[in-house]
Amino acid sequence: EAGVAQSPRYKIIEKRQSVAFWCNPISGHATLYWYQQILGQGPKLLIQFQNNGVVDDSQLPKDRFSAERLKGVDSTLKIQPAKLEDSAVYLCASRAYGISVNTEAFFGQGTRLTVV
Amino acid sequence: ELKVEQNPLFLSMQEGKNYTIYCNYSTTSDRLYWYRQDPGKSLESLFVLLSNGAVKQEGRLMASLDTKARLSTLHITAAVHDLSATYFCAAPATSGTYKYIFGTGTRLKVLA
Repeated sequence: EAGVAQSPRYKIIEKRQSVAFWCNPISGHATLYWYQQILGQGPKLLIQFQNNGVVDDSQLPKDRFSAERLKGVDSTLKIQPAKLEDSAVYLCASRAYGISVNTEAFFGQGTRLTVV
Repeated sequence: ELKVEQNPLFLSMQEGKNYTIYCNYSTTSDRLYWYRQDPGKSLESLFVLLSNGAVKQEGRLMASLDTKARLSTLHITAAVHDLSATYFCAAPATSGTYKYIFGTGTRLKVLA
């Protein structure tokens, strides 16, 4: 089974520029997450989708971050304008839904963003 | 909101030794997850603990859950270098949801 795909793997931008990340979850997984992981810390949830609807975006800095999941499959996360403190790894994860409570979230390789 | 704390944050141990990583969480949770992360890599699922008293073992790692104490442990038996990684525990923010809150992580280094 193919895993969660993310692109790009690395991105370097200047502050105040914009950037977008793409995620393709595991086929059939209805729940999709975006996490931000700052170096040396645990992942912090930014947004959770169920199909194409937002379940939780309470930790998403909505003045600069946006995310969408069109058609309930792929998702994009955008930052505009970027700040230095946005430098982090952005992880996408997906989880099956409605099959079993036993299932955990599966993570992609992440996109490492450096804002200079 | 749920807070998840791990200790120790850093652990350096000799090969062949045993040690335990602790994961405390602040509010009632019905599930607990353990993940492993190698440097520059993504998170790999290790264990899913679903009930009080649950114990799971894979190789040299054993995880347990005590929901009454709000505590999970990850025990390492006879450590080997390949276990060097960062280990995270995660719990749902509220019971019945799948909004996972991660701990701070424990960076484990096994010395040969």
